[in-house]
Amino acid sequence: AQRVTQPEKLLSVFKGAPVELKCNYSYSGSPELFWYVQYSRQRLQLLLRHISRESIKGFTADLNKGETSFHLKKPFAQEEDSAMYYCALYQAGTALIFGKGTTLSVSS
Amino acid sequence: DTGVSQNPRHKITKRGQNVTFRCDPISEHNRLYWYRQTLGQGPEFLTYFQNEAQLEKSRLLSDRFSAERPKGSFSTLEIQRTEQGDSAMYLCASSPGQLYNEQFFGPGTRLTVL
Repeated sequence: AQRVTQPEKLLSVFKGAPVELKCNYSYSGSPELFWYVQYSRQRLQLLLRHISRESIKGFTADLNKGETSFHLKKPFAQEEDSAMYYCALYQAGTALIFGKGTTLSVSS
Repeated sequence: DTGVSQNPRHKITKRGQNVTFRCDPISEHNRLYWYRQTLGQGPEFLTYFQNEAQLEKSRLLSDRFSAERPKGSFSTLEIQRTEQGDSAMYLCASSPGQLYNEQFFGPGTRLTVL
């Protein structure tokens, strides 16, 4: 069955520390993966899509088909990165399958 | 504001009442999605429209739920005979449905069933 797993409910780091938010997926076809972010009192918004291999706000994510992972990384966390992060898999012909999300808390 | 909009933002109702939510997608997006999100969970897919055609419904969408997109623009989601378990955030998203499949989300409607 198609599934997205985010093993960490909460990740707490200090400002300036590296961040890695884990995402693993299960999908029988060719995956199309996204990271969405939700800041406090704001709507869910797209952060990254794997297909464009971009860096947004210093975040990158690489699709590893061998490990079926799409971890989100940032070398130096900022306080404004504190938010809820969701990994999502596009299931062809239907919709996005979301993980349960990881709360990132960055403190000074 | 050219983003996805949803109304109302909050709805409190008594068990057994009917409620209807509206979603206005980004102009010219031909795909529209409804999701439900409960505490501690990511959004869960409910149903999906391509223009006015409802192409997919999740098993989460019981027969008390109905969705329409009559002219391929805005959409409504109706819940009949609400139950306390229907309390959740209902999210709408739209997508251009072309090269990329990313979706753009509205602010959601928070439903509380007393």
